[in-house]
Amino acid sequence: NAGVTQTPKFQVLKTGQSMTLQCAQDMNHEYMSWYRQDPGMGLRLIHYSVGAGITDQGEVPNGYNVSRSTTEDFPLRLLSAAPSQTSVYFCASGMTGSFGNTIYFGEGSWLTVV
Amino acid sequence: GNSVTQMEGPVTLSEEAFLTINCTYTATGYPSLFWYVQYPGEGLQLLLKATKADDKGSNKGFEATYRKETTSFHLEKGSVQVSDSAVYFCALMNAGGTSYGKLTFGQGTILTVHP
Repeated sequence: NAGVTQTPKFQVLKTGQSMTLQCAQDMNHEYMSWYRQDPGMGLRLIHYSVGAGITDQGEVPNGYNVSRSTTEDFPLRLLSAAPSQTSVYFCASGMTGSFGNTIYFGEGSWLTVV
Repeated sequence: GNSVTQMEGPVTLSEEAFLTINCTYTATGYPSLFWYVQYPGEGLQLLLKATKADDKGSNKGFEATYRKETTSFHLEKGSVQVSDSAVYFCALMNAGGTSYGKLTFGQGTILTVHP
């Protein structure tokens, strides 16, 4: 029972490089999302998805792309990394509809852009 | 829009002291309310939740009551332990439709408990 799995846990990038943060869940959740955590600002929603093939922007989507080709996976792509994207990234998933409103989080990915 | 305001930290307590972390919110409709906890170097774990007015969420000795009249969801624990040292986040989510899953978080409150 893995829950929400994120990789990598730590990454250092140079400005301008691209990379993908992976997220997978094994709970058959329809809803998946990405947040970033910055000091003193709590967590802010980047992108989310309510099912395979459906994605939408959250509060801070600029500089990030997502896709949802399967129910299980929801990768986050940084197209051209900038120092402002240094943050801790959390993937989350949950059931939709009347099955509950609990969102489960992965363990986080610490990203530093130099 | 939605917003969550938590008491400013950090909060430093001695073991067995009483804990209160204040949380107030602004939201349309009838949101669900949550407390998440983040232990050092780890991800977020759901601590407790409440889905309607006057509900009390509880877990691991922590409690919070959904107070619609004061738009508050304060976290309390009667006797804290060193192992409770963590960052605590208050959050809300509007129910249903396109709002599902979109959590609005407070800024987090750092709690340190000394022996």
